[in-house]
Amino acid sequence: GAVVSQHPSRVICKSGTSVKIECRSLDFQATTMFWYRQFPKQSLMLMATSNEGSKATYEQGVEKDKFLINHASLTLSTLTVTSAHPEDSSFYICSARHHDEQFFGPGTRLTVL
Amino acid sequence: GNSVTQMEGPVTLSEEAFLTINCTYTATGYPSLFWYVQYPGEGLQLLLKATKADDKGSNKGFEATYRKETTSFHLEKGSVQVSDSAVYFCALRLAQGGSQGNLIFGKGTKLSVKP
Repeated sequence: GAVVSQHPSRVICKSGTSVKIECRSLDFQATTMFWYRQFPKQSLMLMATSNEGSKATYEQGVEKDKFLINHASLTLSTLTVTSAHPEDSSFYICSARHHDEQFFGPGTRLTVL
Repeated sequence: GNSVTQMEGPVTLSEEAFLTINCTYTATGYPSLFWYVQYPGEGLQLLLKATKADDKGSNKGFEATYRKETTSFHLEKGSVQVSDSAVYFCALRLAQGGSQGNLIFGKGTKLSVKP
C-alpha cells in the first residue's frame, strides 16, 4: 500500500520557539494532505486540509497564523508550529489521499517545555 | 452535528476470545464508515470499510456491518490473536464533506490480547 512518512517522530522544544513537522508521501503523489491533532484518550481532530499549490483550509478554531501549513510539492506538506507553548504539546498526525483512500503517517509527538 | 462514539477501552482479552468493539454514529446524509487500526509505533491503517447500508466490510478475520436502522458499525472478530493488540478507530466520511470529505473519528479503543 501507499506509504506516508513523518519527520521528526518526536521533538522537544522550549516555549517560544518554532517547530517544523514534515509529511511525505513516499510512493505516490498527493494533491491533498490532512493534518490532525490527537490528545490523550481523544479522537483525531482535523486541523487543516493542505492542497498542493494553494492555501490550506483550516478547521474552525484552528489559528492559521500559529499552525502554518505549506504544501509546496505533490509529495511534501509541512506543518510549522510557531511560537510554541506548552498547550501545543500533542501528537500530530498527517495523512495523504490516494485513490479515494487516506494513508496516515506514524505521527509526531511534540513536547513544549 | 456529525460524530462517532465508540466504546471506551482498554479492552483486555485472552487469545482466541471473541471481540466486539461497539461503534455508533450521528451523521447527516449517508456516510461511508470505516475501521482503522493503529499498531504500536505505526500510523493508522485502514482495516475495513462499508459505503452503504447493510454492506459488510471484512479483513483479516474482522467484520463490521453498516446498520442504518441502529446507526451502528460494530467491529467483531471470532478469535483474536496477540498480534491484534492495537488501537482501533471507528470513523465516518460524509458523501459531501465540507472539508473534501474528511474523516471524523471516534476516540479509539485500545485492545490488548494476552497469550
